[in-house]
Amino acid sequence: EPEVTQTPSHQVTQMGQEVILRCVPISNHLYFYWYRQILGQKVEFLVSFYNNEISEKSEIFDDQFSVERPDGSNFTLKIRSTKLEDSAMYFCASISPGYPPAYYTFGSGTRLTVV
Amino acid sequence: DAKTTQPPSMDCAEGRAANLPCNHSTISGNEYVYWYRQIHSQGPQYIIHGLKNNETNEMASLIITEDRKSSTLILPHATLRDTAVYYCIVRAASSFGNEKLTFGTGTRLTIIP
Repeated sequence: EPEVTQTPSHQVTQMGQEVILRCVPISNHLYFYWYRQILGQKVEFLVSFYNNEISEKSEIFDDQFSVERPDGSNFTLKIRSTKLEDSAMYFCASISPGYPPAYYTFGSGTRLTVV
Repeated sequence: DAKTTQPPSMDCAEGRAANLPCNHSTISGNEYVYWYRQIHSQGPQYIIHGLKNNETNEMASLIITEDRKSSTLILPHATLRDTAVYYCIVRAASSFGNEKLTFGTGTRLTIIP
């Protein structure tokens, strides 16, 4: 079964540093997402991306976050200046629209630890 | 999207059927019921979804009441690997497919050996 691949699986970074989390969505999917889950909390939506632009973003997704699809296969989340509270699991997901409604496929996540 | 209510936790004996309830009393006519699960800290895994008819796949069965205000996910023969948090999510159908998923706190299902 096709998978969404995320790298790295773990990332430790110092506060204030920039990090890039990478995802390879399923090849024929058209919509891409980032979600995050702070330890012990709910899975939260960050941003959705379609046709090379952001289609929706949450209030969490402020100016320190950005996404891009640089080469038609990778989908990246950049955090410009990390804060301690950015420590979380970050999940990438993709979906192909249509009827009947499809389902999201999630990657296994990147555990980001900011120290 | 309609809000869902699930019990916070449930136990089930290994080999027995696990029945996980979900209430979605404000569901709209075009909203589907989706079930996902999250094993430990892995990414959410799709299980099944339905609109109004009962559905079955290789993982589970989904029973939706006639008024669509509640549903039950059935894992017919639970194994230890089914221990996870199970999320019931209601999502509108759209050919655009860009509606985000809104996760609640789910039901933590523990399979007892």
